[in-house]
Amino acid sequence: KNEVEQSPQNLTAQEGEFITINCSYSVGISALHWLQQHPGGGIVSLFMLSSGKKKHGRLIATINIQEKHSSLHITASHPRDSAVYICAVLTGGSNTGNQFYFGTGTSLTVIP
Amino acid sequence: NAGVTQTPKFRVLKTGQSMTLLCAQDMNHEYMYWYRQDPGMGLRLIHYSVGEGTTAKGEVPDGYNVSRLKKQNFLLGLESAAPSQTSVYFCASSRGWTAVPYFGPGTRLTVT
Repeated sequence: KNEVEQSPQNLTAQEGEFITINCSYSVGISALHWLQQHPGGGIVSLFMLSSGKKKHGRLIATINIQEKHSSLHITASHPRDSAVYICAVLTGGSNTGNQFYFGTGTSLTVIP
Repeated sequence: NAGVTQTPKFRVLKTGQSMTLLCAQDMNHEYMYWYRQDPGMGLRLIHYSVGEGTTAKGEVPDGYNVSRLKKQNFLLGLESAAPSQTSVYFCASSRGWTAVPYFGPGTRLTVT
């Protein structure tokens, strides 16, 4: 049983295309993270969401708490966007009894 | 600022050997985490700490021990390594449970 499901697992796009990666979760959450893992292995946080929508450059993240769903959009995709994108949810809100759940990631390849 | 650093970057152990992975952060973060990443399974939380002198179990704590004697350091120990502990280990830190996490570069451990 996976608390976090991502789709698609793999995605290949032409440079310039609009990309959407989806994340559905089955637990009550206090926050949701989108992470980016580059081919070299390093992981960076792109967004943290608890409601609504956030935008940073060409990246947009949205979350619908009622539907337990989040999307990550990349506009005007570029080869440097090629990476694995990971959705992670946090349950709880206090110092104890909390959990992180991670999706298995979406591997994105952007072709020039 | 070095951010989050991990030592060592690579290690090969024989079954039954012990080792300690060191994580250090220079951002004065209260929260620190140890994850393992395995193909097809995503990141899984091993142990975490909400402050100096505290530790707590995550999703997959068996076979590991941790210590947080200093705020900036979080050590992960394997007392008797097993092949099932072959993985890439990531350390992360954050200001709080729902704050942006900063990840270290990872340690690739192979147990033969």
